Amino acid sequence: EDKVVQSPLSLVVHEGDTVTLNCSYEVTNFRSLLWYKQEKKAPTFLFMLTSSGIEKKSGRLSSILDKKELFSILNITATQTGDSAVYLCAVVSNSGYALNFGKGTSLLVTP
Amino acid sequence: GAVVSQHPSRVICKSGTSVKIECRSLDFQATTMFWYRQFPKQSLMLMATSNEGSKATYEQGVEKDKFLINHASLTLSTLTVTSAHPEDSSFYICSASEGTSTDTQYFGPGTRLTVL
Repeated sequence: EDKVVQSPLSLVVHEGDTVTLNCSYEVTNFRSLLWYKQEKKAPTFLFMLTSSGIEKKSGRLSSILDKKELFSILNITATQTGDSAVYLCAVVSNSGYALNFGKGTSLLVTP
Repeated sequence: GAVVSQHPSRVICKSGTSVKIECRSLDFQATTMFWYRQFPKQSLMLMATSNEGSKATYEQGVEKDKFLINHASLTLSTLTVTSAHPEDSSFYICSASEGTSTDTQYFGPGTRLTVL
């Protein structure tokens, strides 16, 4: 059975800190890994990763995938209170298009 | 771009009634749409995958006769919760994908269903 494990489950940091969120997976016929940010409503798309070692960057957020060790990290630098959210990692296998989500990391950034 | 809307955002209904939730892709054609369910403090659980013009594919444990999905056009999918019961109360979220060349799904804002 496919598995997506995120760590830590929750995290509290001060504004300005840098955080690293982890996502490891066991998926048959892996195709892609996606990161989403979920605040009060539905998830918003952050990144999609398909190749190892290529960093994707958007402002203070960046992410990279390691297909050999089967994990991805999401980095947030100079955190702000608006970064407080649940960050979800999901993987897609070649068997279809469904997203298999991890349980998420709940990030709280305090002023 | 890639905006997905859902309607209604919140619905409260009596036990035994049916509720229809609409999911629309506003600025792109969605070959595939997905319906998820999310309980408090838990992650999203896929309920079903629907492709335009064909029957939905339901995940194991999801009753297809209870959760009716219709994907009549490339921009609209509907989920009907039939004979709703309090245990069906949840946050229902749809997502849409632009096509078979991408795995990126764009999510609607969700519908909070409360069954009394």
